Amino acid sequence: DVKVTQSSRYLVKRTGEKVFLECVQDMDHENMFWYRQDPGLGLRLIYFSYDVKMKEKGDIPEGYSVSREKKERFSLILESASTNQTSMYLCASSFFGGTEAFFGQGTRLTVV
Amino acid sequence: GIQVEQSPPDLILQEGANSTLRCNFSDSVNNLQWFHQNPWGQLINLFYIPSGTKQNGRLSATTVATERYSLLYISSSQTTDSGVYFCAVFSYDKVIFGPGTSLSVIP
Repeated sequence: DVKVTQSSRYLVKRTGEKVFLECVQDMDHENMFWYRQDPGLGLRLIYFSYDVKMKEKGDIPEGYSVSREKKERFSLILESASTNQTSMYLCASSFFGGTEAFFGQGTRLTVV
Repeated sequence: GIQVEQSPPDLILQEGANSTLRCNFSDSVNNLQWFHQNPWGQLINLFYIPSGTKQNGRLSATTVATERYSLLYISSSQTTDSGVYFCAVFSYDKVIFGPGTSLSVIP
């Protein structure tokens, strides 16, 4: 079974903190993705990566950065957390070429 | 970019009823998937269906790629089917989601 694991299920951080969300997949997938989900706005792509050290901006990259130093791990970084980044964050992975994507369990981040 | 639409946005069913959810997309795609988001927020893979028809128990899906739509059929619905159903398409290795259909199955 494909496994995509996100490091935390729930997270509470203070405004201005640097926040790291980690995602690990065990299927040797080339592609990895970070989405955020908000009521009424659906799932929006923040960043994706198609190889180690490669990244591309999605629809809403502002306020976020990413790191992919190893193929199995994709990190989302909030440089200075703000309350408008309170959201559900979902990580996914797939093989290159648009095959089936698999999602992690999600991280509910609250910034206070 | 590609637009993905889903209908209906909301659906309320009596337990045991059947339903059809629709997904339209605006351009050619490499892949299409259906997901069910459970109450804890996790996206569960239902079907990977770039074309053709697949069945899994009470659920089945059909994608007609040439006409740019996909249908998800739920038969004999159960309360555990409640939740949000998303279709998502791949375009140049990006996964683009539709807005979802929120399904409530009442006893």
